[in-house]
Amino acid sequence: RKEVEQDPGPFNVPEGATVAFNCTYSNSASQSFFWYRQDCRKEPKLLMSVYSSGNEDGRFTAQLNRASQYISLLIRDSKLSDSATYLCVVIPDYGGATNKLIFGTGTLLAVQP
Amino acid sequence: GAVVSQHPSWVICKSGTSVKIECRSLDFQATTMFWYRQFPKQSLMLMATSNEGSKATYEQGVEKDKFLINHASLTLSTLTVTSAHPEDSSFYICSATIPPAYTDTQYFGPGTRLTVL
Repeated sequence: RKEVEQDPGPFNVPEGATVAFNCTYSNSASQSFFWYRQDCRKEPKLLMSVYSSGNEDGRFTAQLNRASQYISLLIRDSKLSDSATYLCVVIPDYGGATNKLIFGTGTLLAVQP
Repeated sequence: GAVVSQHPSWVICKSGTSVKIECRSLDFQATTMFWYRQFPKQSLMLMATSNEGSKATYEQGVEKDKFLINHASLTLSTLTVTSAHPEDSSFYICSATIPPAYTDTQYFGPGTRLTVL
C-alpha cells in the first residue's frame, strides 16, 4: 500500500464550480499534512497546511480526519488559474525527528471556460 | 520569502557521461537540503537528505555511488549523476529548510530536467 494515495483524476470542471479532492495516508502516527500545487514542468508550491480543526484560505478549505486517516481539499468558485496538479503531502512519524515529505501522485484539475 | 535556485534548469547529455546539478539557497543558510526525483505522471520521490558537512542519507533503493551528493557549504548542495543512462532521465528537484533543521516548511528549487540520450 502506498503511504499517500490520491485519485489521479483528471477532474474537468467548469469555471465557478466547487471541487473536492481526497487523500488517504497509511502511517497513523503522521503529524503534519499539507496540500501543494504543482504546475506543469514546475516545482511544487505550498498551498496550505492542514490541521485537525480544519483551515480555510479564501476559496480553499482543507480538512483532516485522523480517525479515517483522510485529508481533503475543497476549492470553491474555481478559476481557470486553479488548473494544476494538487499534491497531498504527509510528514510521517517513523519514531525519530524527521521532516521527510511523502508526496501523493497528485490529482490533476482542469478548469474549463 | 526564502529562495532556492537550481542550475542548470535543463540538460541533455549522452549516455555514460556525468551531470552535476547545483542547488543554492540564495537568502538563507540551509543546514539541510533534500533531493527529489519525479518521473512523468508520478509523484516526487525523495532520493536523499543532504546535511552540510556530513554524508548524505540516501533513501532505500537509491544508489549512493551513482548519485553523488556534496553539501560543502551552508548555501550549496550538488547532485552528480554519474554514468547517466536513459532511465535516469527525470525531473530533479531540490528543497531546503530554514534552520532549525526539523521544521516542516521546505522551499523548493525550480527543478532540473535531465534528458539522457
